[in-house]
Amino acid sequence: NAGVTQTPKFRVLKTGQSMTLLCAQDMNHEYMYWYRQDPGMGLRLIHYSVGEGTTAKGEVPDGYNVSRLKKQNFLLGLESAAPSQTSVYFCASSVARGGRGEQFFGPGTRLTVL
Amino acid sequence: QQQVKQSPQSLIVQKGGIPIINCAYENTAFDYFPWYQQFPGKGPALLIAIRPDVSEKKEGRFTISFNKSAKQFSLHIMDSQPGDSATYFCAASLFRGGYKLSFGAGTTVTVRA
Repeated sequence: NAGVTQTPKFRVLKTGQSMTLLCAQDMNHEYMYWYRQDPGMGLRLIHYSVGEGTTAKGEVPDGYNVSRLKKQNFLLGLESAAPSQTSVYFCASSVARGGRGEQFFGPGTRLTVL
Repeated sequence: QQQVKQSPQSLIVQKGGIPIINCAYENTAFDYFPWYQQFPGKGPALLIAIRPDVSEKKEGRFTISFNKSAKQFSLHIMDSQPGDSATYFCAASLFRGGYKLSFGAGTTVTVRA
């Protein structure tokens, strides 16, 4: 099992450009999440999904959109990138109930917006 | 505004020492408190977790102490090793809505050989 994978690993954008980050999981998890990690801020939840076709806003959703057309994939879009969106982005997934409540994280995408 | 406050930002200990990381929260509805460990260039991974009806939990060399009345919890790393050098995040969640986690700011622990 690959677990949670993220594409791409690195990306540099110019202000105003758009891009999509792809997250895939092969653990048949119901829930998926997108976080951003910034120095001194920990991880902050951007958007999350509790099932195929459903998404919800997290703590810092502005400037981002998401889609979950398939259970195993969760896409994060930036329509018009801004320097403030320079960050490391992590995708995670978890079961809906039970277990240890563990979220499994991908390796991250480092995004720089110039 | 972070819902979970974590300190210190960083700490350095000698091998065999006991680094202690502290976290505090305000929302009494939180009922699940995990700790995640992150190595450079990797995603965080669950280390240990506790529910508020338990005052202490041990897994190997890692211990969580939980003080419900003070709304504080801490991580102790017993007999720390250089391989424990990592960033540690405390977190809290409501036991509904898909385990949405509120993370602390993180503590970078360096264990010197």
